[in-house]
Amino acid sequence: QKEVEQDPGPLSVPEGAIVSLNCTYSNSAFQYFMWYRQYSRKGPELLMYTYSSGNKEDGRFTAQVDKSSKYISLFIRDSQPSDSATYLCAMSARPGGSEKLVFGKGTKLTVNP
Amino acid sequence: NAGVTQTPKFQVLKTGQSMTLQCAQDMNHNSMYWYRQDPGMGLRLIYYSASEGTTDKGEVPNGYNVSRLNKREFSLRLESAAPSQTSVYFCASSDYGTPGYGYTFGSGTRLTVV
Repeated sequence: QKEVEQDPGPLSVPEGAIVSLNCTYSNSAFQYFMWYRQYSRKGPELLMYTYSSGNKEDGRFTAQVDKSSKYISLFIRDSQPSDSATYLCAMSARPGGSEKLVFGKGTKLTVNP
Repeated sequence: NAGVTQTPKFQVLKTGQSMTLQCAQDMNHNSMYWYRQDPGMGLRLIYYSASEGTTDKGEVPNGYNVSRLNKREFSLRLESAAPSQTSVYFCASSDYGTPGYGYTFGSGTRLTVV
């Protein structure tokens, strides 16, 4: 079993839809959770991060962590064509520095006008 | 607004040729990483440097070497390129002070080996 599993999609939704992106993980030591957004032919950029369990909201984006189920989610409300990108989850057991992140393979999202 | 700068952005090599991919960050981060990204494979760690003066192998180090030249610069060398090394290469950096302890990535180098 891989440490982090992420459905690669692709996922295609109409503009204005609510999008749910998910990752599952097997390592119960993970405490730091991140979502990266990667536009075509660009490098990944950090979109949201959370520590331990709970929710975090930033505009139209909500990150949710359920450590009991080893499951994290990213919700996008009122999705826009500009949200079309690949979304990668990432996680680690300890904060930054030399701690290597473990990445999911990414989910490709297309939001159709 | 530099962040992590990678050069070159594109490169075509012939099998057996060598080249060095350059990476520099201006955020005073201690840790730096080299990844390759292939369709369906996600990001795979090639080498990383936890701090200046140290380097360690990642998941797919064969065929590559690295040099942490100083705190800012971390280069990746292909000594004898093979078609299997055709990929997009990303450099990243991080430190305890980065938001969420996440990585900052460069814009990538697209390498084709023919």
